[in-house]
Amino acid sequence: GAGVSQSPSNKVTEKGKDVELRCDPISGHTALYWYRQSLGQGLEFLIYFQGNSAPDKSGLPSDRFSAERTGGSVSTLTIQRTQQEDSAVYLCASSLPSGQGNEKLFFGSGTQLSVL
Amino acid sequence: KQEVTQIPAALSVPEGENLVLNCSFTDSAIYNLQWFRQDPGKGLTSLLLIQSSQREQTSGRLNASLDKSSGRSTLYIAASQPGDSATYLCAVRHHGNKLVFGAGTILRVKS
Repeated sequence: GAGVSQSPSNKVTEKGKDVELRCDPISGHTALYWYRQSLGQGLEFLIYFQGNSAPDKSGLPSDRFSAERTGGSVSTLTIQRTQQEDSAVYLCASSLPSGQGNEKLFFGSGTQLSVL
Repeated sequence: KQEVTQIPAALSVPEGENLVLNCSFTDSAIYNLQWFRQDPGKGLTSLLLIQSSQREQTSGRLNASLDKSSGRSTLYIAASQPGDSATYLCAVRHHGNKLVFGAGTILRVKS
């Protein structure tokens, strides 16, 4: 595709359920990021993947959050036993590898997660 | 810990005005700085990226400057238009891989 694709665009779930959010980055972009944007707050870094390197998970807020990136392309963010405070827009972004002087991030439209 | 602050939080101007959005960061050891635009319900669109060795970047009516030593960047928008209405976000790439974002400036350009 031409841009970063995220699905679903909206997800409503009950407290305690698990959810999976998907991100399909731009072809050829080896760097992939997940961010969270809560109402009235800035973007919060969650996790970063770069090629085959070990991911930077330093932003994951708890062990209920995990992410994987299979085949260096599509990524899935999983939230287990969702809580109401997990409600936010989850944004995925991809870019060329950092250090090449062209590290503009391209964002998807996000997944609006609502935990009831 | 790197912190990014954007001023003002919101701005309303009449069409045609030139305007300046401000971004400051606490740790000058940055790799690069990016300005983004976010429309309601949408993701972010990268506007300009300034490497740490650069002083400014221009794209059309937009000009972004970077003063790394003082921890400041400005985004200048010339001849503003209603279509410029959006939230503008500044982000710095600090140590490691993540970008640290400011809270944004909500811009409204009135026709």
